[in-house]
Amino acid sequence: KQEVTQIPAALSVPEGENLVLNCSFTDSAIYNLQWFRQDPGKGLTSLLLIQSSQREQTSGRLNASLDKSSGRSTLYIAASQPGDSATYLCAVNNAGNMLTFGGGTRLMVKP
Amino acid sequence: NAGVMQNPRHLVRRRGQEARLRCSPMKGHSHVYWYRQLPEEGLKFMVYLQKENIIDESGMPKERFSAEFPKEGPSILRIQQVVRGDSAAYFCASSVNSGENTEAFFGQGTRLTVV
Repeated sequence: KQEVTQIPAALSVPEGENLVLNCSFTDSAIYNLQWFRQDPGKGLTSLLLIQSSQREQTSGRLNASLDKSSGRSTLYIAASQPGDSATYLCAVNNAGNMLTFGGGTRLMVKP
Repeated sequence: NAGVMQNPRHLVRRRGQEARLRCSPMKGHSHVYWYRQLPEEGLKFMVYLQKENIIDESGMPKERFSAEFPKEGPSILRIQQVVRGDSAAYFCASSVNSGENTEAFFGQGTRLTVV
């Protein structure tokens, strides 16, 4: 059974810092891994999707890497801004788009 | 192409009533997934449906919960005789198929409050 863990659970940084969010998973036989953003009381916004054959994906200030063999992914956020404050969720797709989610990292970027 | 549409966005039910949550997938998508997010917890998979078929319901509570995706119309998640512990955000996602290179797209969720 797939288990997904995100560390840290919460993170508070000053504006402008580069930061790394971590995600680990126990079953490396994955189709893909996806990073989402969730604002309080809102839905999920897909940030990046990495296929199992890929090592990383980039979108603007975001870069996500995937190391399938070690069961790890990282989300790198460059030059953080207060608007980046949200909960970031990592989700693993083992089959059929039935995703297993981590518990999330609550990020606060202070101006 | 509208995204995944869920309604209502907010639903309040008294204990013992029934809750019906609707999900219209993106145009061209025939695969629907329901997830539940309990307060202060992560999202958990509940059920995976295709048109007129339940493919995987391993995450559904055994009692009071049911889901359908009819040939015509939205997918429905039905909760009978709701209890306070059913209060949660329920998210629906859809995809064009379940292949390795496809992506599921999420709706904005329905927030159920049981009073």
